Amino acid sequence: NAGVTQTPKFQVLKTGQSMTLQCAQDMNHEYMSWYRQDPGMGLRLIHYSVGAGITDQGEVPNGYNVSRSTTEDFPLRLLSAAPSQTSVYFCASSTPGGRAGGANVLTFGAGSRLTVL
Amino acid sequence: AQSVTQLGSHVSVSEGALVLLRCNYSSSVPPYLFWYVQYPNQGLQLLLKYTSAATLVKGINGFEAEFKKSETSFHLTKPSAHMSDAAEYFCAVSSGSSNTGKLIFGQGTTLQVKP
Repeated sequence: NAGVTQTPKFQVLKTGQSMTLQCAQDMNHEYMSWYRQDPGMGLRLIHYSVGAGITDQGEVPNGYNVSRSTTEDFPLRLLSAAPSQTSVYFCASSTPGGRAGGANVLTFGAGSRLTVL
Repeated sequence: AQSVTQLGSHVSVSEGALVLLRCNYSSSVPPYLFWYVQYPNQGLQLLLKYTSAATLVKGINGFEAEFKKSETSFHLTKPSAHMSDAAEYFCAVSSGSSNTGKLIFGQGTTLQVKP
């Protein structure tokens, strides 16, 4: 019963480098999303997906790319890392509201801590 | 646009005392509201959710929250704090009416429990 798995847990990058944060879920959830957590700012939505092949931008999408080729996986790509992208990143998944009593309940991964020097 | 404001970034209580964490929301449509808890170095876990079925919502670990439309509030309470309740708590509102897994989170409140 793995839930949502994120890798890596920790990563240090230099400015300008690129990398991919991996996210996989084994609950057959249609919805997946990426959030970043910064002190005093709560969690902010980066990108989300309502199914394979469908993605859209959240509140803070600049500098990040996503794709959703399968239901299980939702990788987040940093194209050219900047110090402002130093943060803790959380992947989450959920089912459509109609199956959950009319509301989305997110299952979160354990997070990936990224430092950009 | 929807938003969430949590009053107080840090709350400190003694073990056995009442816990009250405040959350106010802004929404142009009937909201779905959530409280999540984050223990150190972990992801977020759902404490409770409001989905319009009942205004007083009971969650896990003895927490509950009351939806007050007139006050646009959804405060989290627990009658008696336990040391294990020390964590960061986030209030969140579902973005829009389409239920697509998009949540808007408050800034978070760190709960400290003193022995």
